[in-house]
Amino acid sequence: AQRVTQPEKLLSVFKGAPVELKCNYSYSGSPELFWYVQYSRQRLQLLLRHISRESIKGFTADLNKGETSFHLKKPFAQEEDSAMYYCALNGGATNKLIFGTGTLLAVQP
Amino acid sequence: DAMVIQNPRYQVTQFGKPVTLSCSQTLNHNVMYWYQQKSSQAPKLLFHYYDKDFNNEADTPDNFQSRRPNTSFCFLDIRSPGLGDAAMYLCATSRLAGAYEQYFGPGTRLTVT
Repeated sequence: AQRVTQPEKLLSVFKGAPVELKCNYSYSGSPELFWYVQYSRQRLQLLLRHISRESIKGFTADLNKGETSFHLKKPFAQEEDSAMYYCALNGGATNKLIFGTGTLLAVQP
Repeated sequence: DAMVIQNPRYQVTQFGKPVTLSCSQTLNHNVMYWYQQKSSQAPKLLFHYYDKDFNNEADTPDNFQSRRPNTSFCFLDIRSPGLGDAAMYLCATSRLAGAYEQYFGPGTRLTVT
């Protein structure tokens, strides 16, 4: 079964500290993985996708097939990074995104 | 700005009284999705349209129906809402299927009394 696990409901860090939001997935094929973000009072939006191998707003995520993980990282957190972050999996030829339950990142001043 | 619009933003309905939620898009995307998100849970896909082709998720209750009269509009009909259907309903679009970015609307929060 396809599944996305985000073990932390809440991650609280201080401004300037490194951030790592964990995401593990379960999928037998070659997955396509995404991070979506929802800032306060805004809609859910794409942050980054693994196939692009890009850095967005200082965030990066590397797909580790051996560990079935796609952790989101940023070396120095900013207050404006405070938001809800969802990891999502697109499995194969389906049109389906499977979301994790999300991690609320709170960056303290 | 091109976007995904959902109306209304808040909807209150009575137990068993049919309700329709609306989604429109100006992106001219081929695919439109409906997700249900309950408190502290992940968004869960109910169904999606690829153009006019309707694709229902196996575990979506029969109580939930959808219509897509044209490219721009998609509706979610709940025939007999129960208390357990209270949730945020998210509409999303994507240009094509698969690993394409999905663009989300702001959501409609449904309350069932």
